[in-house]
Amino acid sequence: AQKITQTQPGMFVQEKEAVTLDCTYDTSDQSYGLFWYKQPSSGEMIFLIYQGSYDEQNATEGRYSLNFQKARKSANLVISASQLGDSAMYFCAMRHLMFMNRDDKIIFGKGTRLHILP
Amino acid sequence: DTAVSQTPKYLVTQMGNDKSIKCEQNLGHDTMYWYKQDSKKFLKIMFSYNNKELIINETVPNRFSPKSPDKAHLNLHINSLELGDSAVYFCASSSSTAGGQYFGPGTRLTVL
Repeated sequence: AQKITQTQPGMFVQEKEAVTLDCTYDTSDQSYGLFWYKQPSSGEMIFLIYQGSYDEQNATEGRYSLNFQKARKSANLVISASQLGDSAMYFCAMRHLMFMNRDDKIIFGKGTRLHILP
Repeated sequence: DTAVSQTPKYLVTQMGNDKSIKCEQNLGHDTMYWYKQDSKKFLKIMFSYNNKELIINETVPNRFSPKSPDKAHLNLHINSLELGDSAVYFCASSSSTAGGQYFGPGTRLTVL
């Protein structure tokens, strides 16, 4: 069965330090996508970064990078030079698409609450 | 220039009532979703539509009925609301081929 595990329910990090949020996944599919979302206290869900299972390079978007280790089935999010505005809930998610079979599986982890300290 | 919009943002209603939440996206995506986020912040997919056709229908009570009049809209109608339906409901859209989902601002439903 497909599964996403985020082992850190909460983290406290000093401002300007780098942060790594852990995410491991379990799937027997070969083709899938991995995502990270940010949910600030205001409640909206913000798409941060995407990594396809066949992408050879790790995805980067500004201060966000995804440390993709396929053999270990991990997709950790790295935030460089953290800012106070990074304080939020972060969700890791996996999507498996098989449109020929009319199947689109998406699952989310339980989230990690990140607190950036001034 | 809102990408995914939902209305209303807040919905407070009595148990037993019927209510609808509307969702529209202007991203040109052909897949749209409804998610429920409970009080513990757990996100669970409810429905997925691709080109107006239902793809995913997770174990959701049949009091919940999605309607997709066109690719840009996916509305959620809920009959006979129950206390346990109180949650935040998110609409999202994505490309059918790959990539992340873009979420609407959410609708906080409170059933009294």
